[in-house]
Amino acid sequence: GNSVTQMEGPVTLSEEAFLTINCTYTATGYPSLFWYVQYPGEGLQLLLKATKADDKGSNKGFEATYRKETTSFHLEKGSVQVSDSAVYFCALSGGYGGSQGNLIFGKGTKLSVKP
Amino acid sequence: GAVVSQHPSWVICKSGTSVKIECRSLDFQATTMFWYRQFPKQSLMLMATSNEGSKATYEQGVEKDKFLINHASLTLSTLTVTSAHPEDSSFYICSARFGGNMNTEAFFGQGTRLTVV
Repeated sequence: GNSVTQMEGPVTLSEEAFLTINCTYTATGYPSLFWYVQYPGEGLQLLLKATKADDKGSNKGFEATYRKETTSFHLEKGSVQVSDSAVYFCALSGGYGGSQGNLIFGKGTKLSVKP
Repeated sequence: GAVVSQHPSWVICKSGTSVKIECRSLDFQATTMFWYRQFPKQSLMLMATSNEGSKATYEQGVEKDKFLINHASLTLSTLTVTSAHPEDSSFYICSARFGGNMNTEAFFGQGTRLTVV
């Protein structure tokens, strides 16, 4: 079945450091890929998405490229801020294994950015 | 983005009682709503999918009689945990989507932390 694997946290960085959170997936068909962010005390929010191979999703300085050849969708940001501290979830939707397009999530990676 | 409101944010109940969690889409009509469960340090696991006016579709291993889902209108879905036990303690999250397109964004509620004592 479809699955998502992302790097385990927590990840602790200093402000302005470079961020990479790895995400790989297993899916049949052509899934859409997403990154969601969950700030403390809040619900999940869509951060960015990509719907086909080689698409690059970007938002708020974050970006991720849909790599079908490596089945990856790594999240990157060139210079993190304290306000980026949150839990980040990689997810996929659709493909032949998706039921009604529900999202399949990775376990989440907690990011803490120190001033 | 659209707003999905989940209520309550947290609840503590006694073992054997039932708890109802509400999920409302505030500014759009949610054709489909999803209910997830999140254990500590684990991913969100889909419990069930519900379309307005029809019975929910439960994922394998989820007890239909224990987790009652009602999606009576395009803006409201409820999850009732019946005869709750301590092992039901978890973080429950709903999401709502308009339309059946798999690429359509799903909007999430803030979650409900259930503690059964």
